[in-house]
Amino acid sequence: AAGVIQSPRHLIKEKRETATLKCYPIPRHDTVYWYQQGPGQDPQFLISFYEKMQSDKGSIPDRFSAQQFSDYHSELNMSSLELGDSALYFCASRLRGRGETQYFGPGTRLLVL
Amino acid sequence: AQKITQTQPGMFVQEKEAVTLDCTYDTSDPSYGLFWYKQPSSGEMIFLIYQGSYDQQNATEGRYSLNFQKARKSANLVISASQLGDSAMYFCAMREGISSGSARQLTFGSGTQLTVLP
Repeated sequence: AAGVIQSPRHLIKEKRETATLKCYPIPRHDTVYWYQQGPGQDPQFLISFYEKMQSDKGSIPDRFSAQQFSDYHSELNMSSLELGDSALYFCASRLRGRGETQYFGPGTRLLVL
Repeated sequence: AQKITQTQPGMFVQEKEAVTLDCTYDTSDPSYGLFWYKQPSSGEMIFLIYQGSYDQQNATEGRYSLNFQKARKSANLVISASQLGDSAMYFCAMREGISSGSARQLTFGSGTQLTVLP
């Protein structure tokens, strides 16, 4: 079965640079979630989209923005990167009305130097 | 207040034995779901099992079962016949507002690192 795809899998950036993370949900899934997991931490919710509209917002810094496109893929844009942004970024998808489970992608490991 | 509490930072179990990972939760929403995810050292987050607050029976998925005690607000994960490949971090998570059909996010506990000994 197709899973959530995230790219890139690993990313190294310098402070103050920008980064774009991509997420391709499971086909026909209409809801996408972004989570950030710092070293030794539990995942923290950043933002979610349903049918290409922003649905909920969590602890997402103003330096970050995200959107969901017409083909349901989503991108997380991160600007003015800081050392503290180094983390594992997960995208998860779900088909609303067909179960509660969010299926996670493999994550993008971002290292800011 | 913590919504999800996992009080065991680390657990050890002998191969082929059963182990219970504890999870308690706090919500005033009558409609919620409880999840367990496994995170191996490679980093991916693997869904294991789900229990809805209105489900009458405890959820089971192969070697995984969820001991759901609603009055005590606990949702412990039981892994039977542990295998070496079960060594990983295990997260309990909750999603509130199930009945509203909204895209509410998961709230995670701090995790339990399980080590299966040969």
